[in-house]
Amino acid sequence: QVQLVQSGAEVKKPGASVKVSCKASGYTFTGYYMHWVRQAPGQGLEWMGWINPDDGDTKFAQKYQGRVTLTRDTSISTLYMELSRLRSDDTAVYYCARDKAEQLIVGAFDFWGQGTLLTVSS
Amino acid sequence: DIQMTQSPSTLSASVGDRVTISCRASQSISIWLAWYQQKPGKAPKLLIYKASSLESGVPSRFSGSGSGTDFTLTISSLQPGDFATYYCQQYDAYPWTFGQGTKVEIK
Repeated sequence: QVQLVQSGAEVKKPGASVKVSCKASGYTFTGYYMHWVRQAPGQGLEWMGWINPDDGDTKFAQKYQGRVTLTRDTSISTLYMELSRLRSDDTAVYYCARDKAEQLIVGAFDFWGQGTLLTVSS
Repeated sequence: DIQMTQSPSTLSASVGDRVTISCRASQSISIWLAWYQQKPGKAPKLLIYKASSLESGVPSRFSGSGSGTDFTLTISSLQPGDFATYYCQQYDAYPWTFGQGTKVEIK
């Protein structure tokens, strides 16, 4: 069965960086695009970007351009989201979410990780 | 960016009720719309994609309709496990955007 298991909660100071991991299992890792979505406390969902695990190609929402890096390690079926120059308003739960279509970007997300809470506080 | 506006923000209903949630896009998104259900402390769950296609394993009491700018999620007979927050999401144009959510509460 498809599983996406994310790394644990993080507490960071403003200006620092964080790297969240998402380990995939139960399907062909390189066959599906992976997205990152975040949710601030009590707020709605915000799409951040995607990565193609096959070739490492990425695309980001404009507001994250230059601050987010998406990478993957195909040898261990794991994806990473690194967010730099953290601010207090980056406090949120960060999710990895698999695209529904194989070898394509559809934009609907059929499997999600459990979420990683990032708290940014001085 | 395409703005997605859901209504109502909160909905009070009883088990067995028919529930309708609306989602309006600020410009046409054709049929590129998904609906998700989220329970407290949990990740969202895909219910509907391509405006009206039911995701595998999702009960048939959930249905979606619409195209262009106006969309609807209908729950034909509300069940106890359906009390949650529902989000629409457009994936017609980057950046993909979500509605603000509709919380379905017990009346």
